[in-house]
Parts: sequence; C-alpha cells; structure tokens
Amino acid sequence: GEDVEQSLFLSVREGDSSVINCTYTDSSSTYLYWYKQEPGAGLQLLTYIFSNMDMKQDQRLTVLLNKKDKHLSLRIADTQTGDSAIYFCAEWGTGFQKLVFGTGTRLLVSP
Amino acid sequence: DTGVSQDPRHKITKRGQNVTFRCDPISEHNRLYWYRQTLGQGPEFLTYFQNEAQLEKSRLLSDRFSAERPKGSFSTLEIQRTEQGDSAMYLCASSTDSQEQYFGPGTRLTVT
Repeated sequence: GEDVEQSLFLSVREGDSSVINCTYTDSSSTYLYWYKQEPGAGLQLLTYIFSNMDMKQDQRLTVLLNKKDKHLSLRIADTQTGDSAIYFCAEWGTGFQKLVFGTGTRLLVSP
Repeated sequence: DTGVSQDPRHKITKRGQNVTFRCDPISEHNRLYWYRQTLGQGPEFLTYFQNEAQLEKSRLLSDRFSAERPKGSFSTLEIQRTEQGDSAMYLCASSTDSQEQYFGPGTRLTVT
C-alpha cells in the first residue's frame, strides 16, 4: 500500500542546517519529491529525486535517499526565516498517476 | 505564462448548494490533476486528466463530485449538494509527460 510518514514539527535557529525526514512504504516508487507550502498558498515544487539515485544537491538543498530503508531526507543549509513553512514529502509509484503525500513537517526558523 | 491559476480563491457556501471551481493549467501541459487538502493533512488525489480524457478517479470522488476538461485546456470541478465535510482546500496541478507537477494556489471551500 501507499503510506508516507513525516515528523510533524521541526524548530531551528537561523543559519543552522535543517533536516526533514520522511519514510515511505511503496518500494516501487520511482520518484520522490519535496514540496514547500506557505500559509494559505499552494505547493511549490522544491526538488525531486529518481529512485536510482542516492543523493541530489540543488543550491542549499540536499536530498538523500536510502532505498533499502525507504527513507528520504531533505537538508536545508543555512536556514533562513523565509524557509519557515510546511514541507511535504511525496512519492510517485509505478502503476498509478498521482502523488501520494505525507502529512507534512512544519519548519519554524527563529532569528 | 505565470503558472497554474485557480478561481475562485475562496468560496463560502451553505450546505446543500452546488459549487464549481475552475483551474487553468500551464499552457503547454497536457496533464491535469485535482487534489483535496484538509487542515493539517497533505493533499489527497481526486482525479487526473490527460488532455480531455479523465483517466483516473479516486474513491474519494463520490457521485456528488464531477470534473471535466472539455477541450483539454482548463478544467472544472463541481460539487453538488455540498456537505460540511467537503470543506477543504481544492488544489489543481498540471504537468507535461514529465514527473514534475506544478500546483496552483488552491480554492478554499467553506461549507456552513
């Protein structure tokens, strides 16, 4: 079945690194995504990784994928107050045309 | 093109009324998706169009819900006989044949 889990909340200080974790259950997932949602807004695609990759880096963002443990993480370097938002992990599996989202991790960055 | 747009952004309706939402995808995107997001949850898939064909529907999409994409461009989502449980954010996303889905700002529905 499809299930994506995330921790609910993370608090960091400005300038620190943030690491948001996600676990998924569908071993056939081909793509895994990170989206950002600010209050009252839609979802912004941050980055995604193909399942045959272990790591992807994009400016301040680093995605790590452990396919054996079905664990995905998003590291944000030099976190800024503007990074405060809800971050959603999502998977795209084979055989269905949809994203399956986790419940989101609320990131709070304090000055 | 500024991205996916949705209209209206907010809708308040009384229980039992019908509502219709519109989504305009990014112009060259042939795939269009509807999701629903309730408070404190991630978005849940409702339905998917490739061009004008509705190819998948979630079991969340009861017979009170109908979606169309008549010319393969904009899409509408109609909810008939609204219930309080329909209160949610309705999100539209579009993509090409790649796996990158881009979301609109959503329509927040409140059923009183």
